[in-house]
Amino acid sequence: QKEVEQNSGPLSVPEGAIASLNCTYSDRGSQSFFWYRQYSGKSPELIMSIYSNGDKEDGRFTAQLNKASQYVSLLIRDSQPSDSATYLCAVNAGGGSARQLTFGSGTQLTVLP
Amino acid sequence: KAGVTQTPRYLIKTRGQQVTLSCSPISGHRSVSWYQQTPGQGLQFLFEYFSETQRNKGNFPGRFSGRQFSNSRSEMNVSTLELGDSALYLCASSPRPGQSNEKLFFGSGTQLSVL
Repeated sequence: QKEVEQNSGPLSVPEGAIASLNCTYSDRGSQSFFWYRQYSGKSPELIMSIYSNGDKEDGRFTAQLNKASQYVSLLIRDSQPSDSATYLCAVNAGGGSARQLTFGSGTQLTVLP
Repeated sequence: KAGVTQTPRYLIKTRGQQVTLSCSPISGHRSVSWYQQTPGQGLQFLFEYFSETQRNKGNFPGRFSGRQFSNSRSEMNVSTLELGDSALYLCASSPRPGQSNEKLFFGSGTQLSVL
């Protein structure tokens, strides 16, 4: 069974600090990796996607992918209270014509003012 | 551009009943996927539709079914409801399937409560 594991959390960081969120996946055939943010009572919102090894930066967010270690992470720099949410790691094994994401259970992040 | 629209926002049903949920994708998006979200199981893939055809199905019983219309709108049906079907049902759209870099955009979901 294809699995996506996230550090259980909850994670609390002070405002202005770096928040580090981690995710491992079991399917070596996975090709696409996504981070979604979900506020309480809201739907998931895509914040980052990454497809090749290395780092990808977008504003305060940096996604890191290491396919050899089957590991993907999200760094949030200069964390703000508005970043407080559940962060979901999602993986797409790709291939074929189907679109199917496997999600981790999420890490709840709280940024303390 | 309007986002993914799901109706209704909330539903309350009793065991044994059936329910139909509706999803209108982002304009121009032709692929619609459905997910179930529960506190215990998290987000789980139900099925995906493209060009009115089911392209893939998750590990859910046959009570869960769906369809897609020619205008890309999709409906999901759950028959003979069970208490465990209580969940947030999320619809997501993307321009087309088959591309590994396709991104999913989620609607606000339908919160189903089965009593």
